[in-house]
Amino acid sequence: EVQLLESGGDLVQPGGSLRLSCTGSGFTFSSFAINWVRQAPGKGREWVSSISGSGDATYYPDSVKGRFTVSRDNSRNTVYLQMNSLRAEDTAVYSCAKSSNRNCGYDFDSWGQGALVTVSS
Amino acid sequence: ETVLTQSPDFQSVTPKEKVTITCRASQSIGSSLHWYQQKPGQSPKLLIRYASQSISGVPSRFSGSGSETDFSLTINSLEAEDAATYYCHQSRGVPYTFGQGTKLEIK
Repeated sequence: EVQLLESGGDLVQPGGSLRLSCTGSGFTFSSFAINWVRQAPGKGREWVSSISGSGDATYYPDSVKGRFTVSRDNSRNTVYLQMNSLRAEDTAVYSCAKSSNRNCGYDFDSWGQGALVTVSS
Repeated sequence: ETVLTQSPDFQSVTPKEKVTITCRASQSIGSSLHWYQQKPGQSPKLLIRYASQSISGVPSRFSGSGSETDFSLTINSLEAEDAATYYCHQSRGVPYTFGQGTKLEIK
C-alpha cells in the first residue's frame, strides 16, 4: 500500500525558516516525482513545488520561488521542502502527493494527510 | 497561469441521481485534467486522470470527458458514500492549478 507521511509542521515567526519532510513507502520511491500542495484556511489548493524522481528537475510557482527549495534523498525515501523567509500568507496545511510518473507534470495518484505550518508572531 | 473554474460550487442531490460537475480552463490544456474526491478528514483520492482515463479501484459510476478548455465529471446513480468535495487539477504547465472545488451533499 502506498503511504506518504509528512512531518515537520510547526509554529514559526515571520521571516523564519522551517523544513518539512515527506516519507514514502509501498512503492519504488526514486521512480516517481513528488509534489507539495498547500491549502490555507478557507482557501483553495495551491501547488507549491514538484521534484522529479531523480531530483534533477524542480519547479515552483512565483509565490514561493526563491524562498522554498525542494530536494530529495532517495536512499531515505524522503523529500524535503525547505521554507525560508516565511510570511503570514504561507500559513497552511502542506501535503505531499506522489505523481504517477518519474517526471513532473502528471496526475497526483496518492496524497499524504498533511502537516500544519503556522506563521505568526 | 491556467485558472480552473468549477461549477456548481455546491449541489444537493438524492441517491440514484446522475450528477455532472464541470471544470472550465482559462486556456487550452489538451487532456491534462484530473479529478479528485475528498471526504472530510481524508486526503484526496484520484478518480479520473487525463480527462477520461479510469482509475483502478474507482467505481465505474464515475466517468470523465472533455478536452482543451471544457471538462466534466459525471457520477451515474449516485450513492450516499459519494458525499464529498470534488476537485479538478491541470498538469499541462506550471504553475499547476486546481479548481475551487464542488461540494456534493446527499439528501
